[in-house]
Order: sequence, then structure tokens, then C-alpha cells
Amino acid sequence: DGGITQSPKYLFRKEGQNVTLSCEQNLNHDAMYWYRQDPGQGLRLIYYSQIVNDFQKGDIAEGYSVSREKKESFPLTVTSAQKNPTAFYLCASSRPDRVLDTEAFFGQGTRLTVV
Amino acid sequence: GEDVEQSLFLSVREGDSSVINCTYTDSSSTYLYWYKQEPGAGLQLLTYIFSNMDMKQDQRLTVLLNKKDKHLSLRIADTQTGDSAIYFCAESIRPGGGNKLTFGTGTQLKVEL
Repeated sequence: DGGITQSPKYLFRKEGQNVTLSCEQNLNHDAMYWYRQDPGQGLRLIYYSQIVNDFQKGDIAEGYSVSREKKESFPLTVTSAQKNPTAFYLCASSRPDRVLDTEAFFGQGTRLTVV
Repeated sequence: GEDVEQSLFLSVREGDSSVINCTYTDSSSTYLYWYKQEPGAGLQLLTYIFSNMDMKQDQRLTVLLNKKDKHLSLRIADTQTGDSAIYFCAESIRPGGGNKLTFGTGTQLKVEL
């Protein structure tokens, strides 16, 4: 079955450490996105990538980094520079060449907690 | 600019209709969406409407769009306990042929027996 997979589901990080969240899709989608979800604030866009080897900053990119070396994969690194990293992180993908190109398919999320 | 607003909570009785409202500010939105999020999970697309439409009905769901007031609503008929979730509206603008979704804050719908 095609889908988008995030791992791990729960992640604990010590202060000052970098941590990488995985996102893999087998939907053959060109575009991939990372969102952060905090209570009462909806989803905020961290980074997005329209095509392999290219990505753009979203609204809250500071303290995060990404790479897009393969179409299927869009890992997100939460660096020690991110002041408040505890949140629920959601990865999504879409196919910009379709008519309804903005239908985004979401992973199940990774809950990151800084301890 | 892009800003999408929703009320945070809605409580309804089972069998009643639910109406979830959303306002957006970017008049260049091309598509508007409603997503559903169940606890601890990702978002699933419920329905969408093109910006040149006023209404769309899909089984128990009715979407109304007032483009003049930049107001979007989602009506769920005969609300069931399984409808309890967070509902997000989202707008899409296509800068340069790309795609970027802006989400609202989400409305938590609680269905009571």
C-alpha cells in the first residue's frame, strides 16, 4: 500500500542534542513538507521541498534543517539552536502536477519531547 | 498576507448538525480544504472547494464559501461520536507553480451523547 511513514512515533531528546526525524513516502510525490503542531496554534510550516535537491524555508525554519537527496525521503533535523523543540511534527507530501495538486497526504506524526 | 482563523472548540449533541467556521485573509487562494485529525494521528483530507464555487456537498458534509467575506464553513449533518476530532481549514496559494498550504488553528469538535 502506498503511503507516507514517519518514524519514530515518540522521540526524547536531551537539551543541546540534535535529533533527526524520518519521513518516507512511496506515493511518487514530488513535493514534501514538514509542519510543527502546538496546541491552539494549528500547523506551522517549517520547510518544504518541491523537487529533489531543492527545498525552501517555511514560516518557522530557524533551528531546523532538512535535506532532499531522494524523492522518497525528506528528513528533518531539529538542532540545538531550536529553543522550544517539544512539539508534534507532521510530514506531508503532494503531487504538484495534478489538478488537485494541493491535496496533501500526511504521516502519523512524531512527538518530540525534550527532557 | 496569509492568516487563517478558527474558533478552538465546538460541542454538539449526537444527531445534531455541527457547523465549523473559518476565516481567511488571502484573496488569491485557489483551493480551500477541510482536514480531520484524530488524536495522536496525522491529518486526513475530508473535502475541498475551488475558490470559484459557493457550495459543495459530499454525503453528510456541506462546505459553504463566501468569497466576498473570506468565510468558509463546514457543516456535518447528523453528527456522530466518531466525528469527534480536530478539524482544520486550509488555504492554498500557488506561488510560481508550487504549492503551499496554510492551516488554521483547528477546531476541536466534541460530540456528546
